[in-house]
Amino acid sequence: SQKIEQNSEALNIQEGKTATLTCNYTNYSPAYLQWYRQDPGRGPVFLLLIRENEKEKRKERLKVTFDTTLKQSLFHITASQPADSATYLCALAPRGNQGGKLIFGQGTELSVKP
Amino acid sequence: EAQVTQNPRYLITVTGKKLTVTCSQNMNHEYMSWYRQDPGLGLRQIYYSMNVEVTDKGDVPEGYKVSRKEKRNFPLILESPSPNQTSLYFCASSSGASRSPLHFGNGTRLTVT
Repeated sequence: SQKIEQNSEALNIQEGKTATLTCNYTNYSPAYLQWYRQDPGRGPVFLLLIRENEKEKRKERLKVTFDTTLKQSLFHITASQPADSATYLCALAPRGNQGGKLIFGQGTELSVKP
Repeated sequence: EAQVTQNPRYLITVTGKKLTVTCSQNMNHEYMSWYRQDPGLGLRQIYYSMNVEVTDKGDVPEGYKVSRKEKRNFPLILESPSPNQTSLYFCASSSGASRSPLHFGNGTRLTVT
């Protein structure tokens, strides 16, 4: 069956450390993979998009990798801050449907302690 | 300001009473989509629309209807709501479907008793 999985356990880290979140998928061949941030009671906010032919994408303190062999994306936040505390969602676009479908993982809650 | 606006933010209704959740975007986006979010299940896609008069089912379309008569509006209709449709609903839009970032509304929390 098709699955997209993120670590359901919350990730607790100390301020200043690098947070690494994982997104694994099964039986998909996504053309794109996106990462979003969601704060409680709010809609998700887009962070980064990476294409299948890109290995890595960076934006300020954020970095995303995409390994189509391992079927995995890693999301890194360097020099983490308490303000980075939120739930982070990955989403993939399966081939077909003219790009209409976007499937989300359940999200990983990140807590950065001062 | 570029935004996706959903109304209402909160809604409590009873089983079987038809309701509509409105969604409007001011970014001239062709693509719009509805999701529901439930604890432990994450965001699940209900319906999406690639353009005016073009709609298609997502992963959980049962019990829902949508329409796309104008580019900016994409209402979600529950003809006969049931308690299992109690959820947090999000509308989203983008300029290029899954190839582009989604802009989400702030959500509608629906309770069906």
